[in-house]
Amino acid sequence: GESVGLHLPTLSVQEGDNSIINCAYSNSASDYFIWYKQESGKGPQFIIDIRSNMDKRQGQRVTVLLNKTVKHLSLQIAATQPGDSAVYFCAVVGSQGNLIFGKGTKLSVKP
Amino acid sequence: GAVVSQHPSWVICKSGTSVKIECRSLDFQATTMFWYRQFPKQSLMLMATSNEGSKATYEQGVEKDKFLINHASLTLSTLTVTSAHPEDSSFYICSAQDRGRNLIYEQYFGPGTRLTVT
Repeated sequence: GESVGLHLPTLSVQEGDNSIINCAYSNSASDYFIWYKQESGKGPQFIIDIRSNMDKRQGQRVTVLLNKTVKHLSLQIAATQPGDSAVYFCAVVGSQGNLIFGKGTKLSVKP
Repeated sequence: GAVVSQHPSWVICKSGTSVKIECRSLDFQATTMFWYRQFPKQSLMLMATSNEGSKATYEQGVEKDKFLINHASLTLSTLTVTSAHPEDSSFYICSAQDRGRNLIYEQYFGPGTRLTVT
């Protein structure tokens, strides 16, 4: 079946450094990808999305890169701040049109 | 805009009792709402898709008689956990799809409800 996986369950970075969170997906036909941020005890918060016809998309301090050849997705956070500490999920739109979530990476920012 | 609320935010109940969780879209109409379950340190797992005025569609392995879903209006869906057991303790999250948008993956998430069954 379709699956979404993350390379690292935890990531610790120094405040001010850049963070890179990775995600892999299984379905080469996937067309739409989304990154969510989830703070403790809260629901997921949309960060940024990208369609399969793009390789890169930038937002405020965040960049999503899509490599369709190896079915890999990454989220880059520039100048990471303590407020960025959270669990980050990638999600892929499945063949049924539903969202399939990855397992999440917990980002910890050290002051 | 696009705010989804859940009530209650947390609830503790005894085994054997039923608990109702509400999901509301506050500033848009939601034809479709989704219910997810999340265990500690794990990802979101879709439980069911709820369409206004019709029966919910449950994912494989989810007991429809145990997790009753009602989507009676375009702004409200409810999830009732019947005869709750400690293994039902989890974080339940709903999301809603804006009626004005046709893309199922454009979902707005609620803040979640923490259910603890003792």
